[in-house]
Amino acid sequence: KAGVTQTPRYLIKTRGQQVTLSCSPISGHRSVSWYQQTPGQGLQFLFEYFSETQRNKGNFPGRFSGRQFSNSRSEMNVSTLELGDSALYLCASSLEGGPREQYFGPGTRLTVT
Amino acid sequence: GQNIDQPTEMTATEGAIVQINCTYQTSGFNGLFWYQQHAGEAPTFLSYNVLDGLEEKGRFSSFLSRSKGYSYLLLKELQMKDSASYLCAVRDQGGLTGGGNKLTFGTGTQLKVEL
Repeated sequence: KAGVTQTPRYLIKTRGQQVTLSCSPISGHRSVSWYQQTPGQGLQFLFEYFSETQRNKGNFPGRFSGRQFSNSRSEMNVSTLELGDSALYLCASSLEGGPREQYFGPGTRLTVT
Repeated sequence: GQNIDQPTEMTATEGAIVQINCTYQTSGFNGLFWYQQHAGEAPTFLSYNVLDGLEEKGRFSSFLSRSKGYSYLLLKELQMKDSASYLCAVRDQGGLTGGGNKLTFGTGTQLKVEL
């Protein structure tokens, strides 16, 4: 069974631009969560989608948004990029979002200049 | 919200045992996870505790005390490949519509295994 895939793996953007990241969960997994990882803050929860609905949300500004499609693939969008948005963006999928482990993708390394 | 504390760094010797502690203060609790993350790689699941007590899985064991807001990860027979960051994460009670995965992670403990 293929693991969680994320595209692109690396991205360089300029401050003020917007970016869309994509995540394909493991086949059969319906829950997709997004995290931001930085050296200073560690892993921080952005949001979780389940059955095309946002089920949980972290404490990030509205510039961070996401969506999930009927095939469970998910995208996250960051508008009006700031230098502080430079980070590794990880997505994780799980079967039902219950007390089960999440499987992480390799991440997208975003650099904002 | 959640507040999670774990040591920043630890060093241990190959073949030894190491215990990584995690304390948390939470407004809602629905389980505690441990993840391992090697440099440049994604986190991988190690263990999940929702009830008090010890869960053992091979060389790795995890303990939880909900009344004390405390967990530890025990690694036995350390190997060089165990050098990694170990992340403690608490699952929230419920989200916008209840249930689901809202995990708050600690900043991780960087474990270095030496010869």
